[in-house]
Amino acid sequence: EAQVTQNPRYLITVTGKKLTVTCSQNMNHEYMSWYRQDPGLGLRQIYYSMNVEVTDKGDVPEGYKVSRKEKRNFPLILESPSPNQTSLYFCASTDRTFEAFFGQGTRLTVV
Amino acid sequence: GDSVTQMEGPVTLSEEAFLTINCTYTATGYPSLFWYVQYPGEGLQLLLKATKADDKGSNKGFEATYRKETTSFHLEKGSVQVSDSAVYFCALSMSGGSNYKLTFGKGTLLTVNP
Repeated sequence: EAQVTQNPRYLITVTGKKLTVTCSQNMNHEYMSWYRQDPGLGLRQIYYSMNVEVTDKGDVPEGYKVSRKEKRNFPLILESPSPNQTSLYFCASTDRTFEAFFGQGTRLTVV
Repeated sequence: GDSVTQMEGPVTLSEEAFLTINCTYTATGYPSLFWYVQYPGEGLQLLLKATKADDKGSNKGFEATYRKETTSFHLEKGSVQVSDSAVYFCALSMSGGSNYKLTFGKGTLLTVNP
């Protein structure tokens, strides 16, 4: 079954404590991306990756890092989380027809 | 830059009612257009798409037609069911370039009552 798997689904952490949200896809897509979803703002792109070792900033990259060492994995790293990064995060993997497949989301709360 | 505007709702309908969710876009080129649906507690799923003007996307009784002259991609369904209750997102993606970014509208919450 084609899928994008994110972990964890829920996370509560404290300000400044580094965390990583993992994302893995089994569709051999080259393109992957991260979005955050906030009430009244819809989804906004954080980072994207066109292929292994190729990443670039989206619209709201501040406070985030990513890496793409393997095609299937695209983790999102928050080196020093702050409360304004409390949000619902989605990883997506996109095929060549521009259809995006989304993970189930990670609800992050930073206190 | 590119943008998508959709009616924000919430929209509340009775079962078997007709649904329209309006969506208009602004883009510098010729985007592909999408409707995604998000059921409670889940990620987004592609509902339908259209890649060029006058294309009609359809799935599960939902339809939307790519109207270049009005820059619109309104979602319609003739008879909604309780199971259609979800948040619906209109989105665009520009072909070409290196970023397959989806630009989303803010979403429309649909509630269908029995």
